Amino acid sequence: KNEVEQSPQNLTAQEGEFITINCSYSVGISALHWLQQHPGGGIVSLFMLSSGKKKHGRLIATINIQEKHSSLHITASHPRDSAVYICAVRAYSNYQLIWGAGTKLIIKP
Amino acid sequence: DTGVSQDPRHKITKRGQNVTFRCDPISEHNRLYWYRQTLGQGPEFLTYFQNEAQLEKSRLLSDRFSAERPKGSFSTLEIQRTEQGDSAMYLCASRPRVADYGYTFGSGTRLTVV
Repeated sequence: KNEVEQSPQNLTAQEGEFITINCSYSVGISALHWLQQHPGGGIVSLFMLSSGKKKHGRLIATINIQEKHSSLHITASHPRDSAVYICAVRAYSNYQLIWGAGTKLIIKP
Repeated sequence: DTGVSQDPRHKITKRGQNVTFRCDPISEHNRLYWYRQTLGQGPEFLTYFQNEAQLEKSRLLSDRFSAERPKGSFSTLEIQRTEQGDSAMYLCASRPRVADYGYTFGSGTRLTVV
């Protein structure tokens, strides 16, 4: 079993829909990151969370430390949101990021 | 440009050759990471520097892979005697000293070993 599990693996939605991507992890963490990766490799850091909720524009990220679960929400989705969204956690035990497999999101106009 | 810069963007090399990649992090970031990503997979950790000190490296770096950050600024990643399985995107990321900030990634160096 992977230490970081994301769901769904693939998500296709219509423009304007509310999007939720989930992330569960099994290790003790010091922080959880949500990142966005576009085709061609560029990775953008969206959020770093250690508790609660953060909002940036149409993106909202929440984390429940007790349940070891985080969600990334996109409101009023747009085709330019199409990308792979990756959840990664920084474990207490080392400096590495443990990466989820990513969720490929396609927003159709 | 104040982001993380990686050079070259693309590298095609013959099997058995040595290659070296460079990463220039954001200047005030003291933490630097190298990752490797193959198609369809998440990034795989290679090594981590805090200033010039290499504090952690994966077992992958014990053989043909080596990384340096001699002055605590730019970093180089060298692969000796490249193999076809080394073909991947090599990503560099940096973070500042302040713990509340996330990672800034470079655009990566795509290596193709033929």
